Amino acid sequence: DVKVTQSSRYLVKRTGEKVFLECVQDMDHENMFWYRQDPGLGLRLIYFSYDVKMKEKGDIPEGYSVSREKKERFSLILESASTNQTSMYLCASSLSKSQHFGDGTRLSIL
Amino acid sequence: AQTVTQSQPEMSVQEAETVTLSCTYDTSENNYYLFWYKQPPSRQMILVIRQEAYKQQNATENRFSVNFQKAAKSFSLKISDSQLGDTAMYFCAFMKHGTNFGNEKLTFGTGTRLTIIP
Repeated sequence: DVKVTQSSRYLVKRTGEKVFLECVQDMDHENMFWYRQDPGLGLRLIYFSYDVKMKEKGDIPEGYSVSREKKERFSLILESASTNQTSMYLCASSLSKSQHFGDGTRLSIL
Repeated sequence: AQTVTQSQPEMSVQEAETVTLSCTYDTSENNYYLFWYKQPPSRQMILVIRQEAYKQQNATENRFSVNFQKAAKSFSLKISDSQLGDTAMYFCAFMKHGTNFGNEKLTFGTGTRLTIIP
């Protein structure tokens, strides 16, 4: 089975902090994704990567950046956290059109 | 750009009944994939069923089946003999066909919260 692991289930940070969310997959997938999930809005794509060091903006990239130094790891970075970035963050990896998700990180910015 | 609409924010049915979740989408693409994902209260999103637009036959996975109407751009999910474990958020999603970079992106609907009542 594909395993997508997100480093934290819950995270509380302060406004202005730099926040790192980590995601690791164990199936050698080329594609990795970061989404945020908000009630009534579904999942919205923040960034995705189709190869090491390659990244593309999704639908809501403002306030975020990403890093993919190794194939198995895809990091989401909040450069200066703000309260409107309080949300559930989901990481996924994919091969052959099937995306596999991690458990999610519930991030609260105070 | 593609859009996916789920017009039922919440639904509830009695255990063992059949329930249908609605999904419509808008696209100018001719070839694409459609998905239903399930997110139980434990949170991990899992794939329920997948449909390729070029296939006329509706996809089926055990108690889950879809009614895919390409001309109407409709993709509903039917759950037969519903079970307590089916309680979850259900998301409809769209993916373009093709092998170009970025063609594995999903566009999601806003979800339907389904509750199975004992």
